[in-house]
Amino acid sequence: DAGITQSPRYKITETGRQVTLMCHQTWSHSYMFWYRQDLGHGLRLIYYSAAADITDKGEVSDGYVVSRSKTENFPLTLESATRSQTSVYFCASRVRAGASYEQYFGPGTRLTVT
Amino acid sequence: GNSVTQMEGPVTLSEEAFLTINCTYTATGYPSLFWYVQYPGEGLQLLLKATKADDKGSNKGFEATYRKETTSFHLEKGSVQVSDSAVYFCALSPNTNAGKSTFGDGTTLTVKP
Repeated sequence: DAGITQSPRYKITETGRQVTLMCHQTWSHSYMFWYRQDLGHGLRLIYYSAAADITDKGEVSDGYVVSRSKTENFPLTLESATRSQTSVYFCASRVRAGASYEQYFGPGTRLTVT
Repeated sequence: GNSVTQMEGPVTLSEEAFLTINCTYTATGYPSLFWYVQYPGEGLQLLLKATKADDKGSNKGFEATYRKETTSFHLEKGSVQVSDSAVYFCALSPNTNAGKSTFGDGTTLTVKP
């Protein structure tokens, strides 16, 4: 299927464990993003990537690590999960559309840290 | 920096009622403005957009006009349906390759039959 897929869709983990959330796009969009969605905070940017091997921090990057060895994959790792990282995580890619840039989102991963 | 402020929800309407969700923004330059919709259990989908002042974006009966003088991009629909129940996000994005999007906090709409 074309688009962005995320796995797993649901994950429960314990405090202190390392967790990796996967993101895969079937297009070849250069830019990819990771957001977290929390009640009262909308979407907050964790990390983004302009191309393979080029990544940069967003506004809430502490405790997270990303990599992008291939254009189509953009995994997000929580090095040592904390309860405050319980959230819904969305991956997105971006494409130029006329005069603007549009984002396409994956279905999200609901992560619970106990 | 850039910011987007949406009216707080939740908003509850009866079917066929008129919908307005307010959105105002602060930005440097002339960004594009967007409304995204998120249905339960799904990711965000682009609903409509406008790329310059006085442009009107429209889709599925929803409309929003880019008002530079009031820095607003209010979402409207003349007659809502139960299937419009979702969370709506206003967003802005600079029209540069390196620009990052800024999202509002989202407004939850529930339409009752």
